[in-house]
Amino acid sequence: DIVLTQSPASLAVSLGQRATISCRASKSVSTSGYNYIHWYQQKPGQPPKLLIYLASNLESGVPARFSGSGSGTDFTLNIHPVEEEDAATYYCQHSRELPPTFGGGTELEIK
Amino acid sequence: QVQLKESGPGLVAPSQSLSITCTVSGFSLTSYGVHWVRQSPGKGLEWLGVIWAGGSTNYNSALMSRLSISKDNSKSQVFLKMNSLQTDDTAMYYCVRDPFYYGSSWYFDVWGAGTTVTVSS
Repeated sequence: DIVLTQSPASLAVSLGQRATISCRASKSVSTSGYNYIHWYQQKPGQPPKLLIYLASNLESGVPARFSGSGSGTDFTLNIHPVEEEDAATYYCQHSRELPPTFGGGTELEIK
Repeated sequence: QVQLKESGPGLVAPSQSLSITCTVSGFSLTSYGVHWVRQSPGKGLEWLGVIWAGGSTNYNSALMSRLSISKDNSKSQVFLKMNSLQTDDTAMYYCVRDPFYYGSSWYFDVWGAGTTVTVSS
């Protein structure tokens, strides 16, 4: 199975500043021009919510302060400017092969 | 409005089986696939399996021998059955939609609220 390693495990960012979350795959999740990484946000007591699909495509209704980038094995989720409501845990997920797997999560605190 | 809602037993005794129903609305099971994902403190988020619009299934090989997914299109319901439950199967179980119309994307655009399953005697 492809292992996704997220870093940092937690971070605290001041309101209005930038949050950067990394997701590293144990093998390439890119092929045929597509990057098979997706990002989710989960708040306590709620299910995950899709933010970004195929590495850089913003899901409908998601604020433009969220952005994703990367290829191969290294991917990044950026949030700028961070708002109070962005306090949550963020997960990456790959869909390159079976089984799809998730990263361990990054907890974002807003200072 | 696309919605999915899980209903399950809450508590299951060790070695017994688990059955969860996912009732969907706002879309047709004949057009979209539905996956099952579980979340536990110990294992994080784990993909279990999927049933596609045409009725075919894929399973996580780690659980394939214990897992079965089926559906009733007319009732807009998807069913998860897992056998021989152990304490490490304790988790929140989610049904989630695959957003690809008549196809597969292998990511998850709409999630149910989840149903908590505790395996304990």
